[in-house]
Amino acid sequence: TQLLEQSPQFLSIQEGENLTVYCNSSSVFSSLQWYRQEPGEGPVLLVTVVTGGEVKKLKRLTFQFGDARKDSSLHITAAQPGDTGLYLCAGVWGQGAQKLVFGQGTRLTINP
Amino acid sequence: GAVVSQHPSRVICKSGTSVKIECRSLDFQATTMFWYRQFPKQSLMLMATSNEGSKATYEQGVEKDKFLINHASLTLSTLTVTSAHPEDSSFYICSAKRGGHPEAFFGQGTRLTVV
Repeated sequence: TQLLEQSPQFLSIQEGENLTVYCNSSSVFSSLQWYRQEPGEGPVLLVTVVTGGEVKKLKRLTFQFGDARKDSSLHITAAQPGDTGLYLCAGVWGQGAQKLVFGQGTRLTINP
Repeated sequence: GAVVSQHPSRVICKSGTSVKIECRSLDFQATTMFWYRQFPKQSLMLMATSNEGSKATYEQGVEKDKFLINHASLTLSTLTVTSAHPEDSSFYICSAKRGGHPEAFFGQGTRLTVV
């Protein structure tokens, strides 16, 4: 059973379009992170959300943490080919010995 | 800041041999380090969580005697793949986390090929 359900897993859109990626769980997370990963490299941290209802913006990327801290979304406005990559949500979960677990990832392709 | 260095980036070894992968936090003290395995076109699968000075906590299905994890200091954790087999070939990634901070920072990953 996947602790974090990420959707869609694949998305291919045209340059200039908007898109939203979702990360959902039945569990409460103390924080959620969004990463972007290029082939053959480790994930690079984009943002961390900690407070329920929190919204953070990173240029054309908007991240939101659900009020109940069980879900998060990543919205990209006016997507560009340079946004192509694997986007991963990850959550810190557990009491005591905490784990950082990942969703399945969203492979995003922006076509020129 | 928050740089994690993983070494080697690529390694090829023969079946039956052991391979050690190092993960270092270069500019911060990592109270917790995580080791992941990633198959092609898939997400990261958590293998184990290690806290400095204590035994690693392995995820279900991960053989602790095969994947030996040592977190001897606040800046270094190692993963040793023992008696490697071709099915152990994969991309292994470590991440490091500071106490009291939610973010984890990742190494560059190690591409292991067992022939």
